[in-house]
Amino acid sequence: AQSVTQLDSQVPVFEEAPVELRCNYSSSVSVYLFWYVQYPNQGLQLLLKYLSGSTLVKGINGFEAEFNKSQTSFPLRKSSVHISDTAEYFCAVSDTGTASKLTFGTGTRLQVTL
Amino acid sequence: KAGVTQTPRYLIKTRGQQVTLSCSPISGHRSVSWYQQTPGQGLQFLFEYFSETQRNKGNFPGRFSGRQFSNSRSEMNVSTLELGDSALYLCASSPASDGTLTFGYTFGSGTRLTVV
Repeated sequence: AQSVTQLDSQVPVFEEAPVELRCNYSSSVSVYLFWYVQYPNQGLQLLLKYLSGSTLVKGINGFEAEFNKSQTSFPLRKSSVHISDTAEYFCAVSDTGTASKLTFGTGTRLQVTL
Repeated sequence: KAGVTQTPRYLIKTRGQQVTLSCSPISGHRSVSWYQQTPGQGLQFLFEYFSETQRNKGNFPGRFSGRQFSNSRSEMNVSTLELGDSALYLCASSPASDGTLTFGYTFGSGTRLTVV
């Protein structure tokens, strides 16, 4: 079984500032890692995913994440946020055996202000 | 290209009743998964169907069931509703044929179920 920890429930940040959202996972097997974003009253949108290969993964809307196997972390970063990035961000993991089942973290609310 | 369509968007039911939620995946997608999202428990996996067969199941009681039709559309049913079943139910589809998430899942906007 896997688990995902998102230590920050809320992250306030000013527009144009950089941001990092933390994500740590626990698993006894190889995993796939994902970041999803959820805007109010909407479903989840895939930002990026790590399946294998390069540990630095670039996604949509200028986001990127870096897989660190030794620290079992997959932090999400953006160099300059916009007001429109205000949303809930979820880190998720699946093991490569039952890849269709995602285990999500509790989410981080990113609040971008002027 | 149409996205994942979930109907209805909102639903209010009384305790003890049953409910059926519908999900139409993206055309060509054969894998459909269901998730429950609540403020207390977050996002939890319910089950996944591929080619009309349940391939994975989460840790939910037997009151929660689902099925998938030959056109890949899926329904989930909750019987004997409890107050704690109030949640946003999300459906996600993927074209993956071998269980991997190479293409990722596309989520619908969900059905907001309120049990009173």
